[in-house]
This record gives sequence, structure tokens and C-alpha cells, in this order.
Amino acid sequence: DQQVKQNSPSLSVQEGRISILNCDYTNSMFDYFLWYKKYPAEGPTFLISISSIKDKNEDGRFTVFLNKSAKHLSLHIVPSQPGDSAVYFCAARIRARDKIIFGKGTRLHILP
Amino acid sequence: GAGVSQSPSNKVTEKGKDVELRCDPISGHTALYWYRQRLGQGLEFLIYFQGNSAPDKSGLPSDRFSAERTGGSVSTLTIQRTQQEDSAVYLCASSSGDRGGHYGYTFGSGTRLTVV
Repeated sequence: DQQVKQNSPSLSVQEGRISILNCDYTNSMFDYFLWYKKYPAEGPTFLISISSIKDKNEDGRFTVFLNKSAKHLSLHIVPSQPGDSAVYFCAARIRARDKIIFGKGTRLHILP
Repeated sequence: GAGVSQSPSNKVTEKGKDVELRCDPISGHTALYWYRQRLGQGLEFLIYFQGNSAPDKSGLPSDRFSAERTGGSVSTLTIQRTQQEDSAVYLCASSSGDRGGHYGYTFGSGTRLTVV
């Protein structure tokens, strides 16, 4: 049973445009949502998080939006840069369980 | 250390052999996690340590898998009688502060295990 779903395995975006990565979840007990970025042969690196009590968190070019009623979150990257090409994992935490559950990832290609 | 260190970075083993994977977390991080990523899949939770105890082992796929942590620091993941389906990248992560909420985990670069 996939509790965190990333339905797009890959996404291609022109350099300079906005990249929007989407994620859906099923568990209402998640208290934090996180995005990780992964380059080949490296471990995932933490990018940005949002508490379940908020609907938006911004950090430079990265903004995460949370729609609790739809159980949906998205990561916006603007403007997209070549170094943003990577696999992005959506993740969520149940505080009581103290572990993070990851989606399958979306591979983002930034086109020159 | 400055980051999470995993060894070996690559391991090729014959089916049926035992393997040990090591993780050295960031100094002072009390929580340690093991995940694995099989080809084309997401990160699959295996086990979580708080100090030396493992409150959540629910992700270990079978009794061939075990893990321990000593001194609240280094952890070893052991896979006995390896099978081809065990081939994956095994990732270790550690965290402190808000237990992974605000700050997420810090991951190591992983051990790529290939069972032939």
C-alpha cells in the first residue's frame, strides 16, 4: 500500500521555466512533508519541508505547496537550472512512528 | 564525522553468502535509519534506531536481515544467505533536532549490493 505517491516517473522542463513536481498521499496522520533531491551515485539530500499546519513554504527558488483537503503537495522550482536535473523524492513523516516514508521519485530533466 | 559514511561503497557477492554493510552516522545524531532502493523503485524503509535500540524493525524483509547499533554510533546491517532479489542500494541516514521533521535526514552515499 503506497502511502506517498508520485505518479510521474519523469518530467522535462526548459531551462528558465518553472518545474512543478507533484505528490499525493493517503495517510492523514502525516505531520511533516519533505522533498529530497538525488543525483546518481549519491545519497538523497534534503531540500525543503513543510509542516502539516502550513500551506506554503518557500526557500529561494524552491516552494512547496500543501493542499490538505486534496492530500496533495507540489514542489515548484523557478527558474529551473541545469543543476536541477536529478531525481526528486516526495516524503512524509508520521511523528508517532518517527520514520519517513518515501515516494518512488520523479526524474527531472532540465533541457537547455 | 562531517557526513554519514557507508562502507563498502560497492559489494558483489555470490548468492548464499552473508554480507555486512556498515554505517557511521554524523557524530551526535541519535537516530539512524536504513533504507534500500531497488532498481526503478523508491526508498524502502528497513529499520530505525534511537540510540542502540530499534523501536521499528517493521521494514526488514525477512529473518535473513538483521541490524545492530553499538555505542549509539556505528550500525551494521547484515544479510544472511543473500538472494538475487537483495540486490539494491542500501542507504543509511541519521538525524537529530526535530527527528527528521524540519530538517530531514542526512543520507550517506549508499552501498550498492549486487548478488550474482
